[in-house]
Amino acid sequence: DAMVIQNPRYQVTQFGKPVTLSCSQTLNHNVMYWYQQKSSQAPKLLFHYYDKDFNNEADTPDNFQSRRPNTSFCFLDIRSPGLGDAAMYLCATSTRTGLNTEAFFGQGTRLTVV
Amino acid sequence: AQSVTQLDSQVPVFEEAPVELRCNYSSSVSVYLFWYVQYPNQGLQLLLKYLSGSTLVESINGFEAEFNKSQTSFHLRKPSVHISDTAEYFCAVSDQGDDKIIFGKGTRLHILP
Repeated sequence: DAMVIQNPRYQVTQFGKPVTLSCSQTLNHNVMYWYQQKSSQAPKLLFHYYDKDFNNEADTPDNFQSRRPNTSFCFLDIRSPGLGDAAMYLCATSTRTGLNTEAFFGQGTRLTVV
Repeated sequence: AQSVTQLDSQVPVFEEAPVELRCNYSSSVSVYLFWYVQYPNQGLQLLLKYLSGSTLVESINGFEAEFNKSQTSFHLRKPSVHISDTAEYFCAVSDQGDDKIIFGKGTRLHILP
């Protein structure tokens, strides 16, 4: 089945130690998103790509970076995780084709910072 | 910039009773509107969407939402809830022609036996 896959589902990292979260898609969608979701809060858009075009939200901390080497894969790099970065990270895809517009989400990666 | 307001953080309702989850949005342009559902430790799943055409949209599991442009609302309703509807529900908006999808804070639907 076509889908959005996030690995790992649960990630524990040490304070200040770089960590990378992965997302892959088999939908061949041109738009990919990274959202951060903290407990009882709205998913917050960090950045998104349209193909290789990168769009960073103005309030996304510099500590967060992203890479999209090809259509299928997208990575979220947190250079120096702090305790406040503990959250669920959601990857999503969509296609810019009018009536098919909607976002398809992965299962999420829950990041714990110790 | 677009934004979404979900006024109720929690809604308790008895099983088989009707429910309405409220959503209001703001945008300076035409929009697409979505409702997503999230079960514990899961990603978000699309429940229904309004893109154009009929202002009343329905999901396969009995939910419906009505786009009201004059009131800038997209409230979600179900005439009779089931225990399996227990989840968090997120309203989202996207400006037409923009890839960004912005979410509300969510409403936790709590079904009482």
